[in-house]
Amino acid sequence: AQKVTQAQTEISVVEKEDVTLDCVYETRDTTYYLFWYKQPPSGELVFLIRRNSFDEQNEISGRYSWNFQKSTSSFNFTITASQVVDSAVYFCALEGSARQLTFGSGTQLTVLP
Amino acid sequence: DSGVTQTPKHLITATGQRVTLRCSPRSGDLSVYWYQQSLDQGLQFLIQYYNGEERAKGNILERFSAQQFPDLHSELNLSSLELGDSALYFCASSDPSGPEETQYFGPGTRLLVL
Repeated sequence: AQKVTQAQTEISVVEKEDVTLDCVYETRDTTYYLFWYKQPPSGELVFLIRRNSFDEQNEISGRYSWNFQKSTSSFNFTITASQVVDSAVYFCALEGSARQLTFGSGTQLTVLP
Repeated sequence: DSGVTQTPKHLITATGQRVTLRCSPRSGDLSVYWYQQSLDQGLQFLIQYYNGEERAKGNILERFSAQQFPDLHSELNLSSLELGDSALYFCASSDPSGPEETQYFGPGTRLLVL
Protein backbone atom coordinates (compact mmCIF):
# COMPACT_ATOMS: atom_id res chain seq x y z
CA ALA A 1 0.00 0.00 0.00
CA GLN A 2 1.08 3.52 -0.67
CA LYS A 3 0.89 6.44 1.67
CA VAL A 4 1.70 10.12 1.43
CA THR A 5 1.96 12.24 4.56
CA GLN A 6 1.83 16.00 4.64
CA ALA A 7 2.14 16.73 8.32
CA GLN A 8 1.69 20.49 7.97
CA THR A 9 -2.03 21.13 7.76
CA GLU A 10 -1.74 24.91 7.57
CA ILE A 11 1.15 27.31 7.16
CA SER A 12 0.95 31.07 7.28
CA VAL A 13 3.81 33.32 6.18
CA VAL A 14 4.30 36.97 5.38
CA GLU A 15 4.98 37.95 1.79
CA LYS A 16 8.63 37.58 0.70
CA GLU A 17 9.36 34.91 3.28
CA ASP A 18 10.60 31.53 2.12
CA VAL A 19 8.44 28.54 2.98
CA THR A 20 8.99 24.79 2.77
CA LEU A 21 6.17 22.28 2.46
CA ASP A 22 7.02 18.80 3.66
CA CYS A 23 6.05 15.53 2.03
CA VAL A 24 6.94 12.04 3.23
CA TYR A 25 5.90 8.95 1.31
CA GLU A 26 5.75 5.18 1.68
CA THR A 27 5.76 2.67 -1.13
CA ARG A 28 7.06 -0.81 -1.87
CA ASP A 29 7.49 -0.04 -5.55
CA THR A 30 11.03 0.47 -6.78
CA THR A 31 9.84 2.65 -9.62
CA TYR A 32 7.45 5.41 -8.75
CA TYR A 33 6.70 9.03 -9.46
CA LEU A 34 6.20 11.93 -7.13
CA PHE A 35 4.12 14.98 -7.87
CA TRP A 36 3.15 18.31 -6.46
CA TYR A 37 -0.16 19.90 -7.37
CA LYS A 38 -1.53 23.30 -6.40
CA GLN A 39 -5.21 23.90 -5.70
CA PRO A 40 -5.99 27.63 -5.59
CA PRO A 41 -9.25 28.93 -4.11
CA SER A 42 -10.91 28.52 -7.51
CA GLY A 43 -10.66 24.76 -7.00
CA GLU A 44 -8.80 23.41 -10.00
CA LEU A 45 -5.75 21.17 -9.55
CA VAL A 46 -2.67 22.60 -11.20
CA PHE A 47 0.29 20.37 -11.99
CA LEU A 48 3.60 21.71 -10.68
CA ILE A 49 6.18 18.96 -10.97
CA ARG A 50 6.71 15.26 -11.67
CA ARG A 51 9.81 13.45 -10.50
CA ASN A 52 10.71 9.80 -11.03
CA SER A 53 12.28 7.69 -8.33
CA PHE A 54 15.59 7.35 -10.15
CA ASP A 55 16.21 11.05 -10.43
CA GLU A 56 17.25 12.53 -7.11
CA GLN A 57 18.50 15.77 -8.59
CA ASN A 58 16.94 18.78 -7.00
CA GLU A 59 14.95 20.96 -9.33
CA ILE A 60 14.46 24.70 -9.45
CA SER A 61 11.82 26.48 -11.46
CA GLY A 62 11.73 30.20 -10.82
CA ARG A 63 10.79 30.71 -7.20
CA TYR A 64 9.93 27.03 -6.76
CA SER A 65 12.40 24.31 -5.82
CA TRP A 66 12.06 20.69 -4.91
CA ASN A 67 14.29 18.51 -2.74
CA PHE A 68 13.93 14.76 -3.33
CA GLN A 69 15.69 12.53 -0.80
CA LYS A 70 15.15 8.83 -1.28
CA SER A 71 17.03 8.02 1.93
CA THR A 72 14.36 9.76 3.99
CA SER A 73 11.46 9.14 1.56
CA SER A 74 10.83 12.85 1.33
CA PHE A 75 9.97 15.20 -1.49
CA ASN A 76 9.85 18.70 -0.06
CA PHE A 77 8.77 21.83 -1.88
CA THR A 78 10.17 25.29 -1.20
CA ILE A 79 8.75 28.59 -2.37
CA THR A 80 11.27 31.40 -2.25
CA ALA A 81 10.14 34.99 -1.71
CA SER A 82 6.50 33.96 -1.36
CA GLN A 83 3.74 36.06 -2.87
CA VAL A 84 0.06 36.45 -2.01
CA VAL A 85 -0.83 34.59 -5.23
CA ASP A 86 0.94 31.53 -3.84
CA SER A 87 -1.87 31.13 -1.32
CA ALA A 88 -3.44 27.75 -2.06
CA VAL A 89 -3.65 24.17 -0.92
CA TYR A 90 -0.65 22.17 -2.06
CA PHE A 91 -0.86 18.44 -2.54
CA CYS A 92 1.94 15.96 -2.76
CA ALA A 93 1.11 12.73 -4.60
CA LEU A 94 2.69 9.39 -5.40
CA GLU A 95 2.10 7.18 -8.41
CA GLY A 96 3.38 3.63 -8.23
CA SER A 97 3.10 0.58 -10.43
CA ALA A 98 -0.69 0.62 -10.17
CA ARG A 99 -0.73 3.98 -12.00
CA GLN A 100 -3.05 5.49 -9.40
CA LEU A 101 -2.26 8.75 -7.71
CA THR A 102 -2.24 8.61 -3.93
CA PHE A 103 -2.54 12.09 -2.50
CA GLY A 104 -1.47 13.52 0.79
CA SER A 105 -4.00 15.45 2.81
CA GLY A 106 -2.68 18.77 1.57
CA THR A 107 -1.10 21.84 3.15
CA GLN A 108 -3.04 25.09 3.19
CA LEU A 109 -0.56 27.89 2.56
CA THR A 110 -1.62 31.43 3.35
CA VAL A 111 0.68 34.24 2.32
CA LEU A 112 -0.16 37.49 4.07
CA PRO A 113 0.58 40.87 2.50
CA ASP B 1 -6.06 25.60 -18.92
CA SER B 2 -5.19 21.90 -18.72
CA GLY B 3 -7.13 20.94 -21.85
CA VAL B 4 -9.39 18.58 -19.88
CA THR B 5 -13.03 19.63 -19.82
CA GLN B 6 -15.74 18.55 -17.42
CA THR B 7 -19.45 19.20 -17.44
CA PRO B 8 -21.44 20.30 -15.62
CA LYS B 9 -19.47 22.61 -13.33
CA HIS B 10 -22.06 22.43 -10.60
CA LEU B 11 -24.83 19.96 -9.88
CA ILE B 12 -27.45 20.06 -7.16
CA THR B 13 -29.69 17.07 -6.70
CA ALA B 14 -31.62 15.15 -4.07
CA THR B 15 -30.91 11.94 -2.21
CA GLY B 16 -31.83 8.83 -4.14
CA GLN B 17 -31.31 10.44 -7.52
CA ARG B 18 -28.88 9.52 -10.29
CA VAL B 19 -26.48 11.88 -12.07
CA THR B 20 -23.96 11.63 -14.88
CA LEU B 21 -20.71 13.57 -14.94
CA ARG B 22 -18.90 14.00 -18.22
CA CYS B 23 -15.21 14.37 -19.01
CA SER B 24 -13.38 15.10 -22.26
CA PRO B 25 -9.66 14.33 -22.06
CA ARG B 26 -6.85 16.33 -23.63
CA SER B 27 -6.42 15.69 -27.31
CA GLY B 28 -4.47 12.46 -27.81
CA ASP B 29 -4.70 11.26 -24.21
CA LEU B 30 -5.95 7.69 -24.02
CA SER B 31 -6.19 7.39 -20.25
CA VAL B 32 -8.91 8.94 -18.15
CA TYR B 33 -9.00 8.91 -14.36
CA TRP B 34 -11.75 9.88 -11.94
CA TYR B 35 -11.10 11.26 -8.45
CA GLN B 36 -13.36 12.35 -5.62
CA GLN B 37 -12.43 15.18 -3.27
CA SER B 38 -14.45 15.41 -0.08
CA LEU B 39 -13.82 17.05 3.27
CA ASP B 40 -13.89 13.68 5.02
CA GLN B 41 -11.78 11.58 2.67
CA GLY B 42 -9.60 14.09 0.88
CA LEU B 43 -8.61 13.33 -2.70
CA GLN B 44 -9.28 9.70 -3.61
CA PHE B 45 -8.77 7.76 -6.80
CA LEU B 46 -11.96 6.14 -8.09
CA ILE B 47 -11.29 4.48 -11.43
CA GLN B 48 -9.12 4.57 -14.54
CA TYR B 49 -9.91 3.81 -18.17
CA TYR B 50 -7.44 3.31 -20.97
CA ASN B 51 -8.67 3.42 -24.55
CA GLY B 52 -12.13 2.26 -23.57
CA GLU B 53 -11.12 -0.47 -21.15
CA GLU B 54 -11.18 -0.33 -17.38
CA ARG B 55 -7.60 -0.43 -16.16
CA ALA B 56 -7.64 0.19 -12.42
CA LYS B 57 -10.19 0.53 -9.69
CA GLY B 58 -9.80 2.40 -6.45
CA ASN B 59 -12.25 3.31 -3.73
CA ILE B 60 -15.28 3.38 -5.97
CA LEU B 61 -18.66 2.50 -4.50
CA GLU B 62 -20.86 -0.10 -6.17
CA ARG B 63 -23.46 2.65 -6.70
CA PHE B 64 -20.96 4.39 -8.96
CA SER B 65 -19.97 3.29 -12.43
CA ALA B 66 -18.00 4.74 -15.29
CA GLN B 67 -17.24 4.15 -18.92
CA GLN B 68 -15.04 5.50 -21.66
CA PHE B 69 -16.48 5.85 -25.13
CA PRO B 70 -14.81 5.32 -28.54
CA ASP B 71 -14.22 9.06 -28.86
CA LEU B 72 -12.35 8.77 -25.51
CA HIS B 73 -14.69 10.92 -23.49
CA SER B 74 -15.74 9.39 -20.20
CA GLU B 75 -18.81 9.47 -18.00
CA LEU B 76 -19.11 8.81 -14.30
CA ASN B 77 -22.55 7.67 -13.20
CA LEU B 78 -23.56 8.11 -9.58
CA SER B 79 -26.80 6.50 -8.47
CA SER B 80 -28.90 6.22 -5.30
CA LEU B 81 -27.17 9.36 -4.16
CA GLU B 82 -26.56 9.97 -0.48
CA LEU B 83 -25.67 13.13 1.38
CA GLY B 84 -22.12 11.85 1.77
CA ASP B 85 -21.64 11.77 -1.98
CA SER B 86 -21.47 15.55 -2.00
CA ALA B 87 -17.97 16.28 -3.22
CA LEU B 88 -15.83 17.69 -5.98
CA TYR B 89 -15.32 15.13 -8.73
CA PHE B 90 -12.24 15.50 -10.86
CA CYS B 91 -11.36 13.90 -14.12
CA ALA B 92 -7.75 13.68 -15.26
CA SER B 93 -6.16 12.46 -18.44
CA SER B 94 -2.72 11.32 -19.48
CA ASP B 95 -0.86 9.91 -22.44
CA PRO B 96 0.76 6.68 -21.21
CA SER B 97 2.72 6.27 -24.45
CA GLY B 98 4.43 9.61 -24.15
CA PRO B 99 7.56 10.48 -22.20
CA GLU B 100 5.49 12.47 -19.76
CA GLU B 101 2.68 10.47 -18.20
CA THR B 102 1.56 13.30 -16.00
CA GLN B 103 -2.10 13.40 -15.14
CA TYR B 104 -3.66 16.73 -16.03
CA PHE B 105 -6.85 17.57 -14.19
CA GLY B 106 -10.08 19.13 -15.36
CA PRO B 107 -11.80 21.92 -13.41
CA GLY B 108 -14.02 19.46 -11.57
CA THR B 109 -17.75 19.02 -11.08
CA ARG B 110 -19.07 20.15 -7.73
CA LEU B 111 -21.91 17.87 -6.65
CA LEU B 112 -24.25 18.81 -3.84
CA VAL B 113 -26.75 16.22 -2.66
CA LEU B 114 -29.59 17.64 -0.57
